[in-house]
Amino acid sequence: GAVVSQHPSRVICKSGTSVKIECRSLDFQATTMFWYRQFPKQSLMLMATSNEGSKATYEQGVEKDKFLINHASLTLSTLTVTSAHPEDSSFYICSARDPSGTVFNYGYTFGSGTRLTVV
Amino acid sequence: LAKTTQPISMDSYEGQEVNITCSHNNIATNDYITWYQQFPSQGPRFIIQGYKTKVTNEVASLFIPADRKSSTLSLPRVSLSDTAVYYCLALLSGNTGKLIFGQGTTLQVKP
Repeated sequence: GAVVSQHPSRVICKSGTSVKIECRSLDFQATTMFWYRQFPKQSLMLMATSNEGSKATYEQGVEKDKFLINHASLTLSTLTVTSAHPEDSSFYICSARDPSGTVFNYGYTFGSGTRLTVV
Repeated sequence: LAKTTQPISMDSYEGQEVNITCSHNNIATNDYITWYQQFPSQGPRFIIQGYKTKVTNEVASLFIPADRKSSTLSLPRVSLSDTAVYYCLALLSGNTGKLIFGQGTTLQVKP
């Protein structure tokens, strides 16, 4: 089945620095990927839709200059948290859709997530 | 996407059958009911999907009545490893866009 790899799984950074998270579709090409953020004991909150070769589409309330998204190839999207602060500490999850996905689930696959801790 | 409503949490014991209900009063004709499972510190995983009546796979069963305004995810003989958050979504047929998750149901299985 379709696999989405997310790296790193955990990262600790100092306040004010930037962190890059990678999301790769391993055995399929994804023109669209999605980035979510999840705080403890809360649901996934969609941050943005990453489109290959064009600008990402951000959800209302998400700062595009703080959460930079680059989708330069059909298998890789990156999320960079710029000038990170402790309030950015969260669990970040990416998702991609395999266009050849079966009728069931429509091909959506999620990465294993990245735990970001800003100290 | 149709709004879905689930219980926030449920408790069960090992070996019991667990039924999690989901309300989707405004479900559209072309919406499919889809359930995801999420373990702590992991991304969601697809469990099951259905349109009407009953669907069963190796993990769970999904019951959808004729009016499709609700659905029930049934987990047979749960074990401790089934402790997770379960999300119910109503997905438009052929959906290629974003998935919006509701609050989900936290299932705690006790020994």
